Amino acid sequence: DTGVSQNPRHKITKRGQNVTFRCDPISEHNRLYWYRQTLGQGPEFLTYFQNEAQLEKSRLLSDRFSAERPKGSFSTLEIQRTEQGDSAMYLCASSARTSGTGELFFGEGSRLTVL
Amino acid sequence: DAKTTQPTSMDCAEGRAANLPCNHSTISGNEYVYWYRQIHSQGPQYIIHGLKNNETNEMASLIITEDRKSSTLILPHATLRDTAVYYCIVSKTSYDKVIFGPGTSLSVIP
Repeated sequence: DTGVSQNPRHKITKRGQNVTFRCDPISEHNRLYWYRQTLGQGPEFLTYFQNEAQLEKSRLLSDRFSAERPKGSFSTLEIQRTEQGDSAMYLCASSARTSGTGELFFGEGSRLTVL
Repeated sequence: DAKTTQPTSMDCAEGRAANLPCNHSTISGNEYVYWYRQIHSQGPQYIIHGLKNNETNEMASLIITEDRKSSTLILPHATLRDTAVYYCIVSKTSYDKVIFGPGTSLSVIP
């Protein structure tokens, strides 16, 4: 399967713990995006990268959230000191300028439950 | 980026055409109209996009009004598998971040 891969698919943690999600984009896609989605809402933009450079972070992204894409390939999203309000689906997407339609390709998401 | 307005929900009978409207009255000349859909518990999936002209692919047709202030996504023969949330998005470039609204929840009824 050459699609966007996210791990883990499900994570249950206690409040105050740190969690990390990994996203492996489609090979050679230079852009990678992170979104968060809660029940009944559309995906909310968090941040995105072009290669290893983080181009934009949503002002809604608190200091407890950090994302990296160290070698311009996979990316990690870390949440420190989790809160119950962090419970959501975390979606990763990738895209490439060489793609004719320029669309985003999404992974299946990582569902976080904070107890 | 321009904002979009979509109905919260719609029903469609199986086998009939589903017509999903979207208003984007503040769209600017260099903004594309994109449509994505999200089936329950999956990531969003690209459907189609256009700038000025109507577009058709194997999944759907996109009709954009001449003034570009609104568009309609048409699923010609809806099936139960088309039950999903459909998002209409306006974006300046093909590769810019995509801002999602709440979308339209389409239910295809047997």
